[in-house]
Amino acid sequence: RKEVEQDPGPFNVPEGATVAFNCTYSNSASQSFFWYRQDCRKEPKLLMSVYSSGNEDGRFTAQLNRASQYISLLIRDSKLSDSATYLCVVNYGQNFVFGPGTRLSVLP
Amino acid sequence: EPEVTQTPSHQVTQMGQEVILRCVPISNHLYFYWYRQILGQKVEFLVSFYNNEISEKSEIFDDQFSVERPDGSNFTLKIRSTKLEDSAMYFCASINSSYEQYFGPGTRLTVT
Repeated sequence: RKEVEQDPGPFNVPEGATVAFNCTYSNSASQSFFWYRQDCRKEPKLLMSVYSSGNEDGRFTAQLNRASQYISLLIRDSKLSDSATYLCVVNYGQNFVFGPGTRLSVLP
Repeated sequence: EPEVTQTPSHQVTQMGQEVILRCVPISNHLYFYWYRQILGQKVEFLVSFYNNEISEKSEIFDDQFSVERPDGSNFTLKIRSTKLEDSAMYFCASINSSYEQYFGPGTRLTVT
């Protein structure tokens, strides 16, 4: 069964906080991993791909643990504009499975 | 920067009517996808399309649904006889060689 699970949320954090999102996937044959953000009633937008060695893009750091089938996203120094739903996406062949998302609200 | 476009942005239709949702993917991408998202729920895969044919489809994509790429640029999703439960946002996406998906802004379908 191809499932992707995420922290249920919502996360309400003050500006400047560090917040971490977790995601687990059930299919060990998964090939590629991504984090997307989705603003209310908008399309998902690619935030970053997740590589086995981990990767960082400014305030965002993604980690992948294939043995535990676990993906994480860390946001440092959160901004008001980071408020969105964060979607974990796992690729199996030509299929992409989306997690339910974790909603983040960054408060002034 | 190239982007995926979709039309219309909002479609209201009566139950039992046919609808066609249109997408123009990014031109040098090879895989195209349709997803739907019912309000408040997660994004669900419907179908993937490669080399002018369906490469994979989900259980949701039953005989009421069809896709085609009639002219090499437009990518359409047809729902033959809409049901109330087809009301959702429908997103088109195209994929680059790194499997990164680029989504269109979506079509909000309301079936009354």
